[in-house]
Amino acid sequence: DIQMTQSPSTLSASVGDRVTITCRASQSISSWLAWYQQKPGKAPKLLIYKASRLESGVPSRFSASESGTEFTLTISSLQPDDFATYFCHQYNSYSTFGQGTKVEIK
Amino acid sequence: QVQLQESGPGLVKPSETLSLTCSVSGGSIRSYYWSWIRQPPGKGLEWIGEIYYSGTTDYSPSLKSRVTISVDTSKNQFSLKLSSVTAADTAMYYCARRYCSTANCSPFDPWGQGTLVTVSS
Repeated sequence: DIQMTQSPSTLSASVGDRVTITCRASQSISSWLAWYQQKPGKAPKLLIYKASRLESGVPSRFSASESGTEFTLTISSLQPDDFATYFCHQYNSYSTFGQGTKVEIK
Repeated sequence: QVQLQESGPGLVKPSETLSLTCSVSGGSIRSYYWSWIRQPPGKGLEWIGEIYYSGTTDYSPSLKSRVTISVDTSKNQFSLKLSSVTAADTAMYYCARRYCSTANCSPFDPWGQGTLVTVSS
């Protein structure tokens, strides 16, 4: 199984902050990595696919990058609507997910 | 806009079979792959398995012996059965869609809102 190690598990930030979340894969997944946002009681929402491609309709303050087996999601200027849980998903071999990062108000 | 809705009992007794259905609205179940994913309270997401509209299935190796996923194209639904459940199977269960070509697959989108299943006597 491919393991996804996501950090941090919790992140306290303020509106306007730049926020970075990281996922590391236990082996190569090429660029088959997605990022989702989930709010309490809601379905996960796809933000990023193929490691760095922004899903249609997702604000441009969200961006993502990859370096080998390390993948990063960045929110350039945190907005009130962005306080949520984010998780990564590798879909290179079966599917495995990161443990999630809760972005909370500082 | 395709929407997915999970349904089924919220409480299942240990050793019994968990049964859930995902209803697809706003689009056809054809030409896509349909997955079940779960999230135990306070833990990460786990992919359970998926089915193509034609009936071809693929299951997580760790759950394969207990999982059956089926599809009913006439009702635009697919279903999950998980046998011999224990408290460890208590989780929020989600259904989700993805597209696969001959070369690769997309991530899951959209997802249902999830349904909480508790295993307890």
